[in-house]
Amino acid sequence: AQSVTQPDIHITVSEGASLELRCNYSYGATPYLFWYVQSPGQGLQLLLKYFSGDTLVQGIKGFEAEFKRSQSSFNLRKPSVHWSDAAEYFCAVVPYNQGGKLIFGQGTELSVKP
Amino acid sequence: NAGVTQTPKFQVLKTGQSMTLQCAQDMNHNSMYWYRQDPGMGLRLIYYSASEGTTDKGEVPNGYNVSRLNKREFSLRLESAAPSQTSVYFCATNSGHAPPDTQYFGPGTRLTVL
Repeated sequence: AQSVTQPDIHITVSEGASLELRCNYSYGATPYLFWYVQSPGQGLQLLLKYFSGDTLVQGIKGFEAEFKRSQSSFNLRKPSVHWSDAAEYFCAVVPYNQGGKLIFGQGTELSVKP
Repeated sequence: NAGVTQTPKFQVLKTGQSMTLQCAQDMNHNSMYWYRQDPGMGLRLIYYSASEGTTDKGEVPNGYNVSRLNKREFSLRLESAAPSQTSVYFCATNSGHAPPDTQYFGPGTRLTVL
């Protein structure tokens, strides 16, 4: 079945530590790939997106993501986490040739320890 | 520019009552979307409107209707609310051009059905 999976429901990291949030997708053709962030009580904001080309994508707030076709993955990374990064993170895809409809993963909640 | 606005922010309904959630955008975008967010399930598409005058079902349309009133406004109606419709509802919008570009989200409406 076509799906987007974020294996980690909740992750806790110490401030200043590195972060990697995992995302895997299951689609026949490579979809368009997105990461969104949702701060508590807020709407969603785009962090970055991948359509084609360089497989390492830079986003806002110091985030980056790497597309790996062989692993059907699009993992989000940040070298040094700040307390303000505590939020929920969503991986999302737009399947190829299916218009602009986003399909979301379940989300990963990030907590940051001082 | 307000971006994407949603009204109301909070609503409590009794089972069987009806209500309309309003969404408006001032970004001159063609496409608009309604999602619901439930814990552990990410966001799921209810309905979308690719352009003014068109609407189509998403992943979870049952129990909802929509109206694309004009280019700016896209409303979501619950005719007979059920407790299963307790959720946070988000409206989003984008240009609708290919490849799919960033969707901009409103702040959400938190709906409780008793």
